[in-house]
Amino acid sequence: GQQVMQIPQYQHVQEGEDFTTYCNSSTTLSNIQWYKQRPGGHPVFLIQLVKSGEVKKQKRLTFQFGEAKKNSSLHITATQTTDVGTYFCAGNPGGFKTIFGAGTRLFVKA
Amino acid sequence: EAQVTQNPRYLITVTGKKLTVTCSQNMNHEYMSWYRQDPGLGLRQIYYSMNVEVTDKGDVPEGYKVSRKEKRNFPLILESPSPNQTSLYFCASSLTSGNQETQYFGPGTRLLVL
Repeated sequence: GQQVMQIPQYQHVQEGEDFTTYCNSSTTLSNIQWYKQRPGGHPVFLIQLVKSGEVKKQKRLTFQFGEAKKNSSLHITATQTTDVGTYFCAGNPGGFKTIFGAGTRLFVKA
Repeated sequence: EAQVTQNPRYLITVTGKKLTVTCSQNMNHEYMSWYRQDPGLGLRQIYYSMNVEVTDKGDVPEGYKVSRKEKRNFPLILESPSPNQTSLYFCASSLTSGNQETQYFGPGTRLLVL
C-alpha cells in the first residue's frame, strides 16, 4: 500500500548544531504537511507544501518539497532546546486519506 | 477558544468491554479523522469523515466503528476491545475535506486494554 518513509527515527544533537529529517513517499503526493509533537503533547501543524520544488522558511526551519512530489525535508539551523520533540511529515496521495511518516524524534543537548 | 476535545483522556478497560471515545470540535469543520499512534509507527488513520453521515475507512479500521450524526461530534467506538488496541488515540479536524487543509488535533486519549 501507500507509504511515507521518514528517516532518521531518532537524532541526538548538541545545541547549535543543525538537524534534518527526510520523508519519501511510494507515490506522488498532492501536498505534504509537517507537524511537531512535543513530548506528551499532540501534533501541531507547522507548514504545508503544495508545489513541485517548493521551498518555504520559518525562521530557522526550512522545508522542501521534491520536484517529483514524492519526497520532502525539514532542516533546522542552529537547534535550540525548544526544538525538542517529534517531527512528522504527512502526505496526501489523493482522495481524502492522510498518510503520516513514522516521525523523527529530536533530542537537543544543552 | 477554537479547539478539538476528546474524552476520556485516559482509560483502562478489559478485553471485550465496549467503549466509546468522544471527539468534539467547535470550529464548524467538515472533515474529522481518528488516528492511533504507536511507537515507531507514527500516526495511522483509522477512519475519517468528510461531512455529516459520510465516513470512510483509513488504513487501520479493523475493530473500530465511527458515526457522524452531527457536524461537531465524531465518536470512536470499540465494540469488543482487544489488547492490540492499546494505543494513544488522536482525533483531528479540518475546515473542509480538501487536500490543502490544516488538521487540528485533540489532546489525545491513552487507552490500555487488559
